[in-house]
Amino acid sequence: TQLLEQSPQFLSIQEGENLTVYCNSSSVFSSLQWYRQEPGEGPVLLVTVVTGGEVKKLKRLTFQFGDARKDSSLHITAAQPGDTGLYLCAGALSNTGKLIFGQGTTLQVKP
Amino acid sequence: GAVVSQHPSRVICKSGTSVKIECRSLDFQATTMFWYRQFPKQSLMLMATSNEGSKATYEQGVEKDKFLINHASLTLSTLTVTSAHPEDSSFYICSARDDDRQGNTIYFGEGSWLTVV
Repeated sequence: TQLLEQSPQFLSIQEGENLTVYCNSSSVFSSLQWYRQEPGEGPVLLVTVVTGGEVKKLKRLTFQFGDARKDSSLHITAAQPGDTGLYLCAGALSNTGKLIFGQGTTLQVKP
Repeated sequence: GAVVSQHPSRVICKSGTSVKIECRSLDFQATTMFWYRQFPKQSLMLMATSNEGSKATYEQGVEKDKFLINHASLTLSTLTVTSAHPEDSSFYICSARDDDRQGNTIYFGEGSWLTVV
């Protein structure tokens, strides 16, 4: 049973479009992290959200943590080809460092 | 620069042999490290939690006798794939939790590509 459901798993859009990626769970997380991964490399942390209802912005990326700390979303405004990559959400059930990853979203932004 | 280093980054081995992958935290101590496996275009699957000075904790379905983990120091964990077979070919990634930081401050390694021929 997948603890963290991430959707969509594949997304192909044109440059300039907006998109949202969702991660949902029935479990409560102590924190939730979003990563971006390039082929053949390890995941690179984008943001960590900890407080229910928290919103963080990183340039054109907006991250939100649900009020109940069970879900999160990543919104990209005016996507660019450089945003192409694999986006992963990961939830922490405790403060042990153990993360449960969503299925990942492969994003392709066409020029 | 990378704070968690994995070595080797790529390795090819013959079927039936064993191969060791190292994960080092470069400028912090890590009592706890994690090993993940990732297939192409898929997400990371947690294999085991590596604990310094004690036995690793394996996730359900992961064979502990096949994937040997040793965490002998606060900066090094090793994953040994024993009697490797082609189906073990994958991208293996480690992460390390910073002992001196609160919460889930973890860092990922660059990953190691294993190809078994």
